[in-house]
Amino acid sequence: QLQLQESGPGLVKPSETLSLTCSVSGGSLSSGNHYWAWVRQPPGKGLEWIGNIYYDGSIYYNPSLKSRVTISVDTSRNQFSLKLRSVTAADTADYYCANSRVTAIWYFDYWGQGTRVAVSS
Amino acid sequence: EIVLTQSPGTLSLSPGERATLSCRASQSVSSSYLAWYQQRPGKAPRLLIYGASNRVTGIPDRFSGSGSGTDFTLTISRLEPEDFAVYYCQQYGSSPLYTFGQGTKLEIK
Repeated sequence: QLQLQESGPGLVKPSETLSLTCSVSGGSLSSGNHYWAWVRQPPGKGLEWIGNIYYDGSIYYNPSLKSRVTISVDTSRNQFSLKLRSVTAADTADYYCANSRVTAIWYFDYWGQGTRVAVSS
Repeated sequence: EIVLTQSPGTLSLSPGERATLSCRASQSVSSSYLAWYQQRPGKAPRLLIYGASNRVTGIPDRFSGSGSGTDFTLTISRLEPEDFAVYYCQQYGSSPLYTFGQGTKLEIK
């Protein structure tokens, strides 16, 4: 069974770049069987999809964040990463990594436990 | 963008009662592309239902999903204490690729 674990700073200053990593165990990023995703949730609010990446580097972003987001994959470390530039307080949220099977890309099977990132000076 | 509107925002029921949660889409959604998640406090969302009506392995059969087009429903037949949580519907296929409803909080009456 896949396990996903987010890691990264819990506090980022306004205008800086938020960087998070998702470590995957129980499966290989390079197997080609999954898409890998980032989803966020502001405190007390709903869920927002950020983007998906496939092991070959194919990427899909939420248009609302596309200008500030980069998602990348490191198959050698079995990790994928999120960078969100020029953050503001509105980017304060719990950030989750998740996955979708290639044969069922339309929902998220497994989720990491989430990591809270606060944007504050 | 397809907007998913969930109702009610909060549902207050007692254990043993039946819960009916609604998810309405602003445009037609393929049934294959409609999922439901449960989120307990401080936890990640958990997939319950996919393809509008297919229960994930290990999810109790008191959970069921139905609907098509723009109207979808999650039903919990007899509420257990652990079912009190927030529930989200989610669709796939329209830009942005994935959107979620705003959630229904199921609370103990």
